[in-house]
Amino acid sequence: EPEVTQTPSHQVTQMGQEVILRCVPISNHLYFYWYRQILGQKVEFLVSFYNNEISEKSEIFDDQFSVERPDGSNFTLKIRSTKLEDSAMYFCASTRRVHEQYFGPGTRLTVT
Amino acid sequence: KQEVTQIPAALSVPEGENLVLNCSFTDSAIYNLQWFRQDPGKGLTSLLLIQSSQREQTSGRLNASLDKSSGRSTLYIAASQPGDSATYLCAARENTGNQFYFGTGTSLTVIP
Repeated sequence: EPEVTQTPSHQVTQMGQEVILRCVPISNHLYFYWYRQILGQKVEFLVSFYNNEISEKSEIFDDQFSVERPDGSNFTLKIRSTKLEDSAMYFCASTRRVHEQYFGPGTRLTVT
Repeated sequence: KQEVTQIPAALSVPEGENLVLNCSFTDSAIYNLQWFRQDPGKGLTSLLLIQSSQREQTSGRLNASLDKSSGRSTLYIAASQPGDSATYLCAARENTGNQFYFGTGTSLTVIP
């Protein structure tokens, strides 16, 4: 069964460094999403992406964040200058249309 | 903004018992509602998706219901098993926009 994959599973970085989180959505899906979950808190929406552009973003998704679909398979989330409060689990999700979302296993980002 | 609440936050039941998890949302103008399972440190596994026009969905021992007018959804688990132990999340998508709004989850423990 097709699934969403994410790399790396765990990323440790120093404050102020740039990180890129990678996702491979399910191949025939059209909408792509990033969410984050700070330990012990709700899963929070960051951004949705469709037709090679951002279709919606939350207040969390400020100028420090960017997304890209550099080729036909990968979908990336870049954080330009990480802060301690960016430490969280980051989930990628995809959906064919406005149907159920399929989530990847997540990348645990630790900012020290 | 949609607010999603799940009660109880934690639930412990003996194996074999039937149980109900509750999800409440503040804005009834939802497009669909999805239930997920999350194991510790893992990603989200989709369980059931209910469209706004539907009243319930069933998959195996799971049954999810939706009452838009009262802003509620329930997840019924029949004949619970220790393997059902996990955190259960509900998420509502509004009619406008692509993002899901997540609840804080119910942590379920099924005691053998």
